[in-house]
Amino acid sequence: AQSVTQLDSHVSVSEGTPVLLRCNYSSSYSPSLFWYVQHPNKGLQLLLKYTSAATLVKGINGFEAEFKKSETSFHLTKPSAHMSDAAEYFCVVSDRNTGNQFYFGTGTSLTVIP
Amino acid sequence: ETGVTQTPRHLVMGMTNKKSLKCEQHLGHNAMYWYKQSAKKPLELMFVYNFKEQTENNSVPSRFSPECPNSSHLFLHLHTLQPEDSALYLCASSQEGGAAHSYEQYFGPGTRLTVT
Repeated sequence: AQSVTQLDSHVSVSEGTPVLLRCNYSSSYSPSLFWYVQHPNKGLQLLLKYTSAATLVKGINGFEAEFKKSETSFHLTKPSAHMSDAAEYFCVVSDRNTGNQFYFGTGTSLTVIP
Repeated sequence: ETGVTQTPRHLVMGMTNKKSLKCEQHLGHNAMYWYKQSAKKPLELMFVYNFKEQTENNSVPSRFSPECPNSSHLFLHLHTLQPEDSALYLCASSQEGGAAHSYEQYFGPGTRLTVT
């Protein structure tokens, strides 16, 4: 069975400093992994995805994530936070063997301090 | 119009009303989803439609009734709701089947529902 654990419910960083949002997953098969961002009162926007190609995935807005099978992790990083990065971030896991099932983490709220 | 659209964006209804939420995707996808997002709770999958057929119903109360007339449209019919049903309802679509391995979901902006 698949599941996702986002290790921090809230993360606070200063503008211009690095961002690290942590995600661990559990999957019986080769997973696909995604990070989504949700700004207040908006839908979820795909930041990046991993689907068994390169383990270091680059996404939009300067975000990237590294798939580490040995650690079952898919942490999201950004070298320098902007004020506009303040939002809720969701890590999601799925695999082809479970059809249309996407398993969402509980989300990490990112605050960026000016 | 591109992507996934949802109407209305905001809805206030009494517990005895009947209303419907509409979702439309312009991406050529063949799978559509309804999610419920409540404050301080994980995203809850409600229904999944694949090629217009319902493939998932996550123990959703019968006061929520989905309808998928074609691969581009998805409705959520609401009747006799409870105050605890107040939430953001999100629609999503994805491409399933075939050779596509990357099948991320694309989300609409959501309908903010308040039940009074």
